[in-house]
Amino acid sequence: DARVTQTPRHKVTEMGQEVTMRCQPILGHNTVFWYRQTMMQGLELLAYFRNRAPLDDSGMPKDRFSAEMPDATLATLKIQPSEPRDSAVYFCASAPRQGEGNEQFFGPGTRLTVL
Amino acid sequence: GQQLNQSPQSMFIQEGEDVSMNCTSSSIFNTWLWYKQDPGEGPVLLIALYKAGELTSNGRLTAQFGITRKDSFLNISASIPSDVGIYFCAGPMKTSYDKVIFGPGTSLSVIP
Repeated sequence: DARVTQTPRHKVTEMGQEVTMRCQPILGHNTVFWYRQTMMQGLELLAYFRNRAPLDDSGMPKDRFSAEMPDATLATLKIQPSEPRDSAVYFCASAPRQGEGNEQFFGPGTRLTVL
Repeated sequence: GQQLNQSPQSMFIQEGEDVSMNCTSSSIFNTWLWYKQDPGEGPVLLIALYKAGELTSNGRLTAQFGITRKDSFLNISASIPSDVGIYFCAGPMKTSYDKVIFGPGTSLSVIP
C-alpha cells in the first residue's frame, strides 16, 4: 500500500557532523512537509514544498538547516553542522493536490540524537 | 498567533471505558482534524470536520466541530488496548490553508 518512507529511522551523531534525512512521498502527492517533534515544542512545521518548489521554510533555522526536493520522489532535510538541541524526531508528510482537504500522510520519522 | 490547547494532557483508563477529550482555541477554525500517533510512528488522520456543528463517526470514534468554531471534541467508546497513543487536534492556519498547526496532544493509556 502507498506510504511515506523515511530513512534512516534512527541516527546518532556527534555535534558538528552533517546529517541528511531522506523522504519518499506517496506517488502522486505534490505537497511535501517537514516537521520536527520534541517533548517541549510538540510538532513544528519546518518547511514545505509544492510541485518540488519551496513554499515556506520560515520554521527552519536557516543558518544550519536546508531542505530540497531533487525530484518528485525524494525530499531531503540536511543539518550542517548539527547541535545537541537538534535532537528530535523529524517527520516527513505528503498530501495530494490542494482542495482535497488537509489530510497529510506522515512517514514513520527519523529519530535524531546529536551527542 | 493561532494556538490550540488540548485537555486533558494525559489519561489513564480501564479497558472498556469511554473516553472524552477536547481541543480549544481563541481563534476560529474552519476545519478541525484529529490525528492519532502510535508509539514510534507518525500521526495518522482519524477524522476531519469541515462544518460547524458537524458530528462525524469513524468506528468507535466520534468527533464534533463546535458551534463557536473555536473547539472540537473527540470521544472514544468502549476503549481497547490498541487505543493507546497520543491524540492530536489540528487545524489549518489562517495565513495558509496548507499549513496545519497541531495541539500539544492528549496521551491515552488503557489498562487491560
